[in-house]
This record gives sequence, C-alpha cells and structure tokens, in this order.
Amino acid sequence: GAGVSQSPSNKVTEKGKDVELRCDPISGHTALYWYRQSLGQGLEFLIYFQGNSAPDKSGLPSDRFSAERTGGSVSTLTIQRTQQEDSAVYLCASSFRGGSYEQYFGPGTRLTVT
Amino acid sequence: QQQVKQSPQSLIVQKGGISIINCAYENTAFDYFPWYQQFPGKGPALLIAIRPDVSEKKEGRFTISFNKSAKQFSLHIMDSQPGDSATYFCAAEQGSRLTFGEGTQLTVNP
Repeated sequence: GAGVSQSPSNKVTEKGKDVELRCDPISGHTALYWYRQSLGQGLEFLIYFQGNSAPDKSGLPSDRFSAERTGGSVSTLTIQRTQQEDSAVYLCASSFRGGSYEQYFGPGTRLTVT
Repeated sequence: QQQVKQSPQSLIVQKGGISIINCAYENTAFDYFPWYQQFPGKGPALLIAIRPDVSEKKEGRFTISFNKSAKQFSLHIMDSQPGDSATYFCAAEQGSRLTFGEGTQLTVNP
C-alpha cells in the first residue's frame, strides 16, 4: 500500500514569509508525528497527534510553529514569519496508534529559508 | 537537553566485518528502544526494536544488546555489507514521544 507522503518535497522561501507543509499518513493510522532534522543532526520531535487532537505539542520550538490535523488524516505544519534557523528537513511519520507502534516516515520536506 | 547519546558519529568497516553502534540514555521512564536506518534523501525506517525487559534481540544480521542497569544499548551488524551503508539512529520512547540520538554514519567498504 501507499506509504506516508509529504509535500512539497522542497521549499525555498524568503525570511519572514509563512510556509505550510503537508503530510498524508498511511490510511488507518491514528497517530501522526512531526519531526525536524537539521543538517547532520538527529531528529527533533515537534508534535504528536492522536486522531485530530494533539496531546503532545511540547516540541514546537516557538509560537511561530503550529500544526493541525483534520478528519483524522491529513496534517499541515505551518511556520509563520520564517527565520533562517528554520531551515531543515521536516519529517512526518504515522503509526497504527500511539505508543510503541512502528512509526513509518515520509521522505520529508526540505525547507530552505533565504 | 540531550537525553540519548549516540556514538560513534561515523564508522567505517570492511565488508564482512562487525559494525557496533552504542547509545546511552538518562531517563529511566523510557520503555521502548528502536533503531532506525536512513538512506540519503529518504525518511528513517525501523530496523529493530527492544523493550527493557529483554537483554538481547536478534533479527537476521542485526542484534540489539540492552543493559538496563547501565542505561545503555547497542546495535551490532554482523557480516556488514556495502548496502548497509547508511545513517543509523537509536531512539528511546516515553509515552508516544521518541527521543533520537544524533546518528551514526556507517560506511561499509567492499
């Protein structure tokens, strides 16, 4: 079946602009996660959704970052007033449910803020 | 605060050799320890995982060794192959949140 898909695959934006990153999880997966991977670094947890609610959004680095999930499926990560330090690969993952279930990752969106 | 420390940062082994990557954690509430493999331009993919009530888990050429008292765990890749060349991440989970190590870039020379 289809895996996790993310769009766009690459995004170049000017400092100060807003960006939206999209994630389509595997059908039937109730849990959805966003991570950020900076060059040569590990993955940094951003937010976790169970269904449409976000029981853990503690990883969002600032109030410029927000995310929503609708219909228990598609999720959008929004970054307002982008800064150069926001440049990274943003990865989305989904799992059958939260807690110790395998997380399946998408290919990521590479965001470059100029 | 880095709660999962991974070493080495990079590793070069010859084909057929054993690759060993180590991780240490601080939070005793972690209850699930997966390893992920990532190829360039791809998202990470689960390789193997272990729970703290088990000291070792083996799947094919991949083995996790877990030392709960030392709060350490390691990945052993036996008979390493050039196709194993990738970045490997250890992780630890509490609740539904994974904390990742910094990654190890493995190169297996033919």
